[in-house]
Amino acid sequence: DTGVSQDPRHKITKRGQNVTFRCDPISEHNRLYWYRQTLGQGPEFLTYFQNEAQLEKSRLLSDRFSAERPKGSFSTLEIQRTEQGDSAMYLCASSPTRDSGNTIYFGEGSWLTVV
Amino acid sequence: DQQVKQNSPSLSVQEGRISILNCDYTNSMFDYFLWYKKYPAEGPTFLISISSIKDKNEDGRFTVFLNKSAKHLSLHIVPSQPGDSAVYFCAASAGMDSNYQLIWGAGTKLIIKP
Repeated sequence: DTGVSQDPRHKITKRGQNVTFRCDPISEHNRLYWYRQTLGQGPEFLTYFQNEAQLEKSRLLSDRFSAERPKGSFSTLEIQRTEQGDSAMYLCASSPTRDSGNTIYFGEGSWLTVV
Repeated sequence: DQQVKQNSPSLSVQEGRISILNCDYTNSMFDYFLWYKKYPAEGPTFLISISSIKDKNEDGRFTVFLNKSAKHLSLHIVPSQPGDSAVYFCAASAGMDSNYQLIWGAGTKLIIKP
């Protein structure tokens, strides 16, 4: 399978615990994105990497959230001191650098439930 | 302020007929539009896109129409099949290098009736 893969697919954690999600993008894609989606809403942008550089962060990304892409390949999204409001699907996506077209390809998402 | 609006939360269509999903936007700087399909508990899957230099793009059963003057786009699926039942999201971006700035609608749930 050469699509975007995310791990774990589901995570249940107690409030206050830290969680980490991993994303492996499509291998030739140098752009990687994290989004968050809750029921009845479209995806909300969180952050974006071009290779290993984190180029943009949303205001939604509080200081409890941190994302890394140390070697420009896989990425991790860590949420510290989780809160119930963090419960959502966390989506990773990737895209190549192209002269035109902004199509991004999503993974299957990581469901987080904070209890 | 919702820059991309999908005003129909759900749509029910008979199998074999045409499904028309609508999307309106307010930002005249948007120049690239995409449709994604999403099944429950899965990530969105890219369906079709259109650049603002075009008014129509077709791919198999899927056609997207763009009316820039009305700031409106629509996705036509014909003929509709049971596997098309999913939530459809419209997304838009401004500028070729603004992938991360995709602005999404809230989605329309399409139900195909046998």
